[in-house]
Amino acid sequence: DGGITQSPKYLFRKEGQNVTLSCEQNLNHDAMYWYRQDPGQGLRLIYYSQIVNDFQKGDIAEGYSVSREKKESFPLTVTSAQKNPTAFYLCASSITGGALDTQYFGPGTRLTVL
Amino acid sequence: DAKTTQPTSMDCAEGRAANLPCNHSTISGNEYVYWYRQIHSQGPQYIIHGLKNNETNEMASLIITEDRKSSTLILPHATLRDTAVYYCIVRVGDNYGQNFVFGPGTRLSVLP
Repeated sequence: DGGITQSPKYLFRKEGQNVTLSCEQNLNHDAMYWYRQDPGQGLRLIYYSQIVNDFQKGDIAEGYSVSREKKESFPLTVTSAQKNPTAFYLCASSITGGALDTQYFGPGTRLTVL
Repeated sequence: DAKTTQPTSMDCAEGRAANLPCNHSTISGNEYVYWYRQIHSQGPQYIIHGLKNNETNEMASLIITEDRKSSTLILPHATLRDTAVYYCIVRVGDNYGQNFVFGPGTRLSVLP
């Protein structure tokens, strides 16, 4: 089945530790995105990538880092510099990243920092 | 950037049509209206999108007013599985990437 996978579904980390969230897609999409969602809130864009080895900051990139070494993979690292990392993280992809492209979302990873 | 306003929550009886409104009074002529929904603790799911004509697919219908300042998503026969948060989104800008701004959405509760 084609789709976007995120793992793990739930993740717990101690304060001050970096943690990397996985996102893989087998849709052959060029563009991938990371969003953050807080309780009762909408989604906010963290980073996006239109093509391999290229990525751009979104609205709330501070304290996060990404890489795009392969088309299928767009891991997100939540660093210790992120002041409030506990949230629901969603990865998405679209065919080209163009303005009319529909974004397809993964199931999300709920990160809790203790 | 165009923004949207939606009611915080709505109820709908199972089997009836659910009509979810969205205001986007500052929408530009080349901006599309998208609808997504999110069932609790899952990723958002694409529903439908349109520019100025009404659109229909297997999930829903989208009615956009002639002046494009508002739209309505219609779920013709709501089921309990349609309980979710529904997001009305306007595509912002012409650049890649930062083109989806998700607000708080409307929490639809379908009641038995």
